[in-house]
Amino acid sequence: SAVISQKPSRDICQRGTSLTIQCQVDSQVTMMFWYRQQPGQSLTLIATANQGSEATYESGFVIDKFPISRPNLTFSTLTVSNMSPEDSSIYLCSVEGRLHNEQFFGPGTRLTVL
Amino acid sequence: GIQVEQSPPDLILQEGANSTLRCNFSDSVNNLQWFHQNPWGQLINLFYIPSGTKQNGRLSATTVATERYSLLYISSSQTTDSGVYFCAVHNTNAGKSTFGDGTTLTVKP
Repeated sequence: SAVISQKPSRDICQRGTSLTIQCQVDSQVTMMFWYRQQPGQSLTLIATANQGSEATYESGFVIDKFPISRPNLTFSTLTVSNMSPEDSSIYLCSVEGRLHNEQFFGPGTRLTVL
Repeated sequence: GIQVEQSPPDLILQEGANSTLRCNFSDSVNNLQWFHQNPWGQLINLFYIPSGTKQNGRLSATTVATERYSLLYISSSQTTDSGVYFCAVHNTNAGKSTFGDGTTLTVKP
């Protein structure tokens, strides 16, 4: 299994500002994933981040709103830009295990936008 | 894309009762996982079970891939079992995991 940490664990932000969320993994991984979980909802994949290439975004998510960096095999950041109250969600970082497609999740970042 | 349906959406139990949660999926998958999301939002891996049966303490899971469903059994439930249980399937063609809407379990003392 992988040990994943995220910073910050929670934040309260003002409308129009941006927040960068960090994800650190204790081992090198090829693929990292960013998910959003809106209140009372399931998880929705935002994008897949591979080291050395641009992130691949899912339908409904764009790079200008959710820029992602993947500078190495153990770290990634997700920025939520120009935030509105609708961005209030839990944002989760995830990686796949080495042997197969088993996914492991970080503890999440609980974001509230006022 | 692949559809994942979980049932029931909500479940309330008395402590000590048993329960079965179901996950149906619409296409062949190469991976299926069950997660428990605790009240603090943390997703805990319960089972990686693309097929067959596994047991871990009071929890067990069975996936019948040919019939496109999986079951999660919780026996002798405890209040700490409360939370949301998610099923997630990985389809090779899609190249990503798809989550069901979850089952919210409340275990009352």
